[in-house]
This record gives sequence, structure tokens and C-alpha cells, in this order.
Amino acid sequence: ELKVEQNPLFLSMQEGKNYTIYCNYSTTSDRLYWYRQDPGKSLESLFVLLSNGAVKQEGRLMASLDTKARLSTLHITAAVHDLSATYFCAVDILVRYALNFGKGTSLLVTP
Amino acid sequence: DGGITQSPKYLFRKEGQNVTLSCEQNLNHDAMYWYRQDPGQGLRLIYYSQIVNDFQKGDIAEGYSVSREKKESFPLTVTSAQKNPTAFYLCASSSGRPMSTEAFFGQGTRLTVV
Repeated sequence: ELKVEQNPLFLSMQEGKNYTIYCNYSTTSDRLYWYRQDPGKSLESLFVLLSNGAVKQEGRLMASLDTKARLSTLHITAAVHDLSATYFCAVDILVRYALNFGKGTSLLVTP
Repeated sequence: DGGITQSPKYLFRKEGQNVTLSCEQNLNHDAMYWYRQDPGQGLRLIYYSQIVNDFQKGDIAEGYSVSREKKESFPLTVTSAQKNPTAFYLCASSSGRPMSTEAFFGQGTRLTVV
């Protein structure tokens, strides 16, 4: 059974600080995605990671993938309030052609 | 504009009723998916379809049914057998393997049992 575990599940951080969200998964995968969800809204695609060692950056967010360790990270640099949202990682496994989601990390950035 | 349209945005169901949630996409995607989201939870897969006239059960298919008669449409019926249907339902689509499994989501339907 595939497990996708994110930690932390809740994160409160001050503006200007750095932090990392972790996504561990339990079976082989070559594709991992990060999504953002604002309260009451749908999911918006942030990053697509398709190979070991892949690194993508957009603004204050940077995502990476280590397929050997079955680990992806989402690093936040100099957080701002606009980054407050819930962030999900999702893993694609070959045996089922659908994404499997973690429980999400609820991020609150405070002044 | 290309995208995924879910309707209605809000839906109220009485006990014992079946209700159908609509999902239409004009992205020319082969694959479509239904997920359920409960407060504080991740997304759980209900059903998915990789091609027209074919679909598979996900992790929580009991009490739900789907059809895929057209490429652009993947409606979800919540039956009276679903004991706790109150949730946020999200439809998604992707090009599908081997091309891409990046899922694009509709705006969701919030279903409440009254």
C-alpha cells in the first residue's frame, strides 16, 4: 500500500523566515507534484518533478526530488503572508495511473 | 479558455437521495479523476478513468458510481449507499500516461447532507 506522508502537517512561521516541508513516500515513483490550495478553493499546480535530483524554483519556493530516498522537499525562503495556504505533495506510481496525495501542510505566515 | 468545469458549486442532498455531480473538460485530456476532500484531510481517490468507456475504482469507491461515455465528461453519482457524503468533491484531468499525469483540477463541488 502506497503511503505519502507530509510533515509537518501544520506550520506557523514568521515573515522573513525560512522553512522546509517534507514529503516521504513508500514505493517507487518517478513523478512527484506539489500543489497549493487556498481556503475553500481548488488545487493549483506548483511544481512537476520528473527525475531524481530534479529541482524547480518559483519565487520564494523551491522543490526537489530524491527518488532513491523517496523524499521530496518544498523549501520556503523569506516567507511572506501571501504564501499562507495548504501545500500538498502527490505521487504517481506505475501500478495505478492516478495521483496519491499526502494530507497536506497547512502553512500560516504571520507578521 | 481551456479548463475543467464542475457544477454545481454547492449541492444539498436529503437523506436517501442520489445526486449527480457534473465534470466537463475541454483540455482534450484522456484521463479524468474524482477525489473527495474532508476537512483537514488530503485528497482521497474515488474513481478514475484513463480512456472513454473505461474506469477503475479508487480507494473509497463504495457508495459512488461514475460513467465515461464521452471524452470530455466524467459525472459522479453519490448514491444513498454512501453513508457520509458531506465533503468537498474535486474533479481533475490529465493527458495520462505515458505523456503526463499532472492533474488539473476543477473548482470543486461542496456537497452537504440536510
